[in-house]
Formats: sequence, structure tokens, C-alpha cells
Amino acid sequence: QSALTQPPSASGSPGQSVAISCTGTSSDVGGYNYVSWYQQSPDKAPKLMIYEVSKRPSGVPDRFSGSKSGSTASLTVSGLQAEDEADYYCSSYAGDNKWVFGGGTRLTVL
Amino acid sequence: QVQLVESGGDVVQPGGSLRLSCAASGFTFSAYNMHWVRQAPGKGLEWVAFMWSSATYYADSVKGRFTISRDNSKNTLFLQMDSLRVEDTAVYHCAKDSATFAFDIWGLGTMVTVSS
Repeated sequence: QSALTQPPSASGSPGQSVAISCTGTSSDVGGYNYVSWYQQSPDKAPKLMIYEVSKRPSGVPDRFSGSKSGSTASLTVSGLQAEDEADYYCSSYAGDNKWVFGGGTRLTVL
Repeated sequence: QVQLVESGGDVVQPGGSLRLSCAASGFTFSAYNMHWVRQAPGKGLEWVAFMWSSATYYADSVKGRFTISRDNSKNTLFLQMDSLRVEDTAVYHCAKDSATFAFDIWGLGTMVTVSS
């Protein structure tokens, strides 16, 4: 159960778009359409932003979108806003009722 | 509102034991599968354990040492942690399974420190 690979940091100016990648293997990201993304602000609980690769829970702005190609998933935040500054984690189902997370990406709004 | 509140975190010596609790409210607890996820200081999230009905599943790093259980009559999820190691030091979150292979509700977590 190796962690998924995310860049440690990403940044963009207000109004810009930024994409965060999440690379796994054929045993997790590449093998299932069960990638999810979480936003975590300091001292807050993680919040589900995307599930099943590209679906948004009710209440999540449509500025957040997800996609997947092969064993790499991506979260794109469009029209960056100051409140988007947070840590973002990807997760994938890895079979046999086990899950794996990425190491996290700190998104900075410049 | 839908809420998960963890408790039971403490400072414990290596080799010791601890039992964490997660109190659920605002939803029909018995109808949902539940997880434990941990976060070491300054590190990322790590999935720990999953309970699906009465079946239990664990990360390799805790298998044989941790036990997940639940009391539906008290809307509470538990994590029994035995043979604790320094590397188990983390904030432990309980999370509700979304039924779409994701974690849709999280608690704030409870801190477990394993140190001599």
C-alpha cells in the first residue's frame, strides 16, 4: 500500500486555474474509477470535494473538477479564490476493501 | 447536523494500548460503514481501518495490532490500539463511508502520542 504521489505544492493567482496531479498504479488509481479529493484547512477536518473521479458533492462549487487518465488523476480549481488556499489530498480505492491516500498538496493563492 | 466527534487520545508509552471512540450524530449510524484515518504531525492522511457491517479490514501497518468495532445502540465507533509504536503517533479521524468509495463526513480527530 504505497502512498499516491502528489506534488508538495501548487500556486496560482486569483482568477487563474491550477491543476494538482495524483499518480498511482494499476492497482489503485488506474484500476478503479474511485478517486476522491479532499480539502483540508488548518485545524479543520478534511472535506470531500470530488468523488468517483469527477463527481461533486452537493455544495461544492463547480470551480472544482476532477479527471483521470491512466494511473494519474487530477483536480483542477478554476477561478481561484483566496478561500481555496488549503491542503488537498487525493485518495483511491485499492481493492480488497483498502484505500490509499496521496501525500497532499499545499495550494497557495498568490 | 451530521457530526462525528472523536475522543480517547492520550500520551502512551511504546507497547501500550489505547481505545479511541467516535460519537456519531445527525444520521442513521447503523446504516453506514465507517473508517479510521490518521495523520501524523506534518504528514499526509493514511487510511487505517474499515468496518463494513461486521467485517473488518486494516492497513498492513496496523494489522494484528488495531481492532475496529462499533456499538450501533450507542452510535459509536471504536478503535482499540495495542502494541503501540512511536510511528503510530498521529491525529486519528473517524470518517463516514459515502457508499461511493469515498469519505464524506469527517471528525476533527483525536491526538495519539506514543513516546517514552
